[in-house]
Amino acid sequence: KAGVTQTPRYLIKTRGQQVTLSCSPISGHRSVSWYQQTPGQGLQFLFEYFSETQRNKGNFPGRFSGRQFSNSRSEMNVSTLELGDSALYLCASSGGITDTQYFGPGTRLTVL
Amino acid sequence: AQSVTQPDIHITVSEGASLELRCNYSYGATPYLFWYVQSPGQGLQLLLKYFSGDTLVQGIKGFEAEFKRSQSSFNLRKLSVHWSDAAEYFCAVGAANFGNEKLTFGTGTRLTIIP
Repeated sequence: KAGVTQTPRYLIKTRGQQVTLSCSPISGHRSVSWYQQTPGQGLQFLFEYFSETQRNKGNFPGRFSGRQFSNSRSEMNVSTLELGDSALYLCASSGGITDTQYFGPGTRLTVL
Repeated sequence: AQSVTQPDIHITVSEGASLELRCNYSYGATPYLFWYVQSPGQGLQLLLKYFSGDTLVQGIKGFEAEFKRSQSSFNLRKLSVHWSDAAEYFCAVGAANFGNEKLTFGTGTRLTIIP
């Protein structure tokens, strides 16, 4: 079974721009979660989607948004980028009652 | 609110020596507990998990962890480390009810292996 895939792997943007990151979950998984990882704040939960509905949301500003499609693929969008948004964005998928999350390789976003 | 503490930011161990990484959690109900490992520039790989049952859980790569409810701990151990174990290790806690997929992570412990 293929693992979680994330595209692109690396991205460079400038302040004020917006960016869209994509995540394809493991086949059969219906839940997709997003995390931000920075040296200063560590791993922080952004949001989680299940069957195209956002079920959980972390403490991030409204500039961070996401969506999930009927095939469970998910995208997250960050608008009006700030320098502090530079981070590794990790996507995880899970399925079934065990709730184990399996992570993708991440997208490294650099904001200049 | 759930939280995780990994008191050791950086640990250095000789190759072949034993290892214990500490993890303490705070959660009001029965937790799901996880250990993940991250190599530089990579995502997180699941080492092992505890949901219920036997408090000593075995994982991949020779790792094990023991859930101690009385101490709110879930320490990771390995009998003999290999140079390839050098990485960052994260302990995480999740809610033990289906529908809450939010994991709360500790700040991580960076493991260095010396020959």
